[in-house]
Amino acid sequence: DVKVTQSSRYLVKRTGEKVFLECVQDMDHENMFWYRQDPGLGLRLIYFSYDVKMKEKGDIPEGYSVSREKKERFSLILESASTNQTSMYLCASSSLSGAGANEKLFFGSGTQLSVL
Amino acid sequence: ELKVEQNPLFLSMQEGKNYTIYCNYSTTSDRLYWYRQDPGKSLESLFVLLSNGAVKQEGRLMASLDTKARLSTLHITAAVHDLSATYFCAEKYNNNDMRFGAGTRLTVKP
Repeated sequence: DVKVTQSSRYLVKRTGEKVFLECVQDMDHENMFWYRQDPGLGLRLIYFSYDVKMKEKGDIPEGYSVSREKKERFSLILESASTNQTSMYLCASSSLSGAGANEKLFFGSGTQLSVL
Repeated sequence: ELKVEQNPLFLSMQEGKNYTIYCNYSTTSDRLYWYRQDPGKSLESLFVLLSNGAVKQEGRLMASLDTKARLSTLHITAAVHDLSATYFCAEKYNNNDMRFGAGTRLTVKP
């Protein structure tokens, strides 16, 4: 069964802490994504990566950075967590060569981050 | 500005009724996607619509795409409780990433 695994389901951090969210996929996908989901706003793209060591900014990259040292792993980093970064974070992956019905994202189960 | 707008955002239906969720998008993309999210769970792909006039059906759900109107619809026929979930549409932006709507939270009541 294909999987996108996020390391934590729930996380509580304090303002100013450095936070790492980890995501691993076992589908050999080239593309990986980080979204945050907030009520009434849907999913907003933070960063994505289409290859190892490559990254692109999404719509809301401020306050975040990412790391992709291995194809299967994509990390989201909050350098200094703030309360407005309290949110559900979703990782996803897709195949670069996916076409037709395979053009879709596979999502992890999400990490609910609370910054106090 | 890139925008994907869904309406309604909240929908309460009785079992057995029909209804349509609308998704307007802002680019000239010819690809539109529908996802479902159950409470406390992540998103799962429902439909991938790849061209103007595309229609896909699975069970009581049918999705269609009109690229000229930049509109996709998700039609629910004879709703049942199991369809209660949040439905998202998304358009493909550039070659790699997707932009999502705010979601439509559907509640089907007996």
